Amino acid sequence: QKEVEQNSGPLSVPEGAIASLNCTYSDRGSQSFFWYRQYSGKSPELIMSIYSNGDKEDGRFTAQLNKASQYVSLLIRDSQPSDSATYLCAVPGSQGNLIFGKGTKLSVKP
Amino acid sequence: DADVTQTPRNRITKTGKRIMLECSQTKGHDRMYWYRQDPGLGLRLIYYSFDVKDINKGEISDGYSVSRQAQAKFSLSLESAIPNQTALYFCATSGLAGAGELFFGEGSRLTVL
Repeated sequence: QKEVEQNSGPLSVPEGAIASLNCTYSDRGSQSFFWYRQYSGKSPELIMSIYSNGDKEDGRFTAQLNKASQYVSLLIRDSQPSDSATYLCAVPGSQGNLIFGKGTKLSVKP
Repeated sequence: DADVTQTPRNRITKTGKRIMLECSQTKGHDRMYWYRQDPGLGLRLIYYSFDVKDINKGEISDGYSVSRQAQAKFSLSLESAIPNQTALYFCATSGLAGAGELFFGEGSRLTVL
């Protein structure tokens, strides 16, 4: 069974700082990786996907992938209070589904 | 209107009752999923369906059943609810195999007393 591990947090950062969220995965054969954001009481939504080693940038968000270390991270630059949410890392499962980590709760303090 | 709609949004019931959670989607997607979310346990797959004639068990299917009534409708049933089925349930859809983008409904919070 594939596994995805995340630090549950909470991770607290001041407004304007860089938030760094980390994820490790068990299956060396995983080829694609996804970050979802879930606001309290809401449903998850996809914010980033990454398929190749290295960095992928989208606005204030950067996803970083290191397949050799089986490690994927999400950096949020210039963090805002509106970024306060739980961030879920996910990889494709063998059943055509996504396997999610338990999520890291981020709190951005004004 | 939401693309993926779940009903009911909240439900309190008693042990032993039969409960049905319904999901409908307007995205035209073939793939539909039911996940449950528990604090500290994350999202876990209950059942999934790739088309109307295809139903598959997920990681935690015991105590649940599903029905795919049409491409747009996928319902989850608890035949005899028990307290440890108290959770937040999400229906999700996806359009492409392995694409990784799931579109979630707003969730159905179920409490079993």
